[in-house]
Amino acid sequence: DADVTQTPRNRITKTGKRIMLECSQTKGHDRMYWYRQDPGLGLRLIYYSFDVKDINKGEISDGYSVSRQAQAKFSLSLESAIPNQTALYFCATSDQQGSNQPQHFGDGTRLSIL
Amino acid sequence: GEDVEQSLFLSVREGDSSVINCTYTDSSSTYLYWYKQEPGAGLQLLTYIFSNMDMKQDQRLTVLLNKKDKHLSLRIADTQTGDSAIYFCAEAPVGYSTLTFGKGTMLLVSP
Repeated sequence: DADVTQTPRNRITKTGKRIMLECSQTKGHDRMYWYRQDPGLGLRLIYYSFDVKDINKGEISDGYSVSRQAQAKFSLSLESAIPNQTALYFCATSDQQGSNQPQHFGDGTRLSIL
Repeated sequence: GEDVEQSLFLSVREGDSSVINCTYTDSSSTYLYWYKQEPGAGLQLLTYIFSNMDMKQDQRLTVLLNKKDKHLSLRIADTQTGDSAIYFCAEAPVGYSTLTFGKGTMLLVSP
């Protein structure tokens, strides 16, 4: 979905490095999410934010932090990367209007930690 | 907590119908979603259904919901090679924005 843009698309880095993954959206949605996808495990929620002043931990937040810089921007940081954080990372957004609005996903960031 | 289960793999021939199954455990009113992931891409929303509905149809896609058994299926009519992808079932109780995903079903369509 071109309305949800993730950068970079691919990143290879070394253990111990600090990494930031960026997500920006033009959909005007208030709610934003970060997931990681591992083969055979589906998607797991890392953090989510319902507005600029709201940050919530998801299922697997340990080792990650987030920043909601603006309504349109939500970044994910790995303060000290480790190899088991190698995965495909997705950002998603949803509208707060109405109940259970579906989430819209970016194309993902493939992160490899050596 | 919620749990969503899917079969991991399905292989069909082009032109046949595909049926991808999903079971969920949440007992309250809930929304159920189907997403498609093509290689190298993000998740694309295909359709979603509220748990007070039995069926929803959208062109080649038909979603069937058996509330008693908490069983959801996605039927793709006249399956094409371009339908080859991973299909994710996801669930969210009413009023909750966070989704619980199944592990995904890889659909392989052969000519």
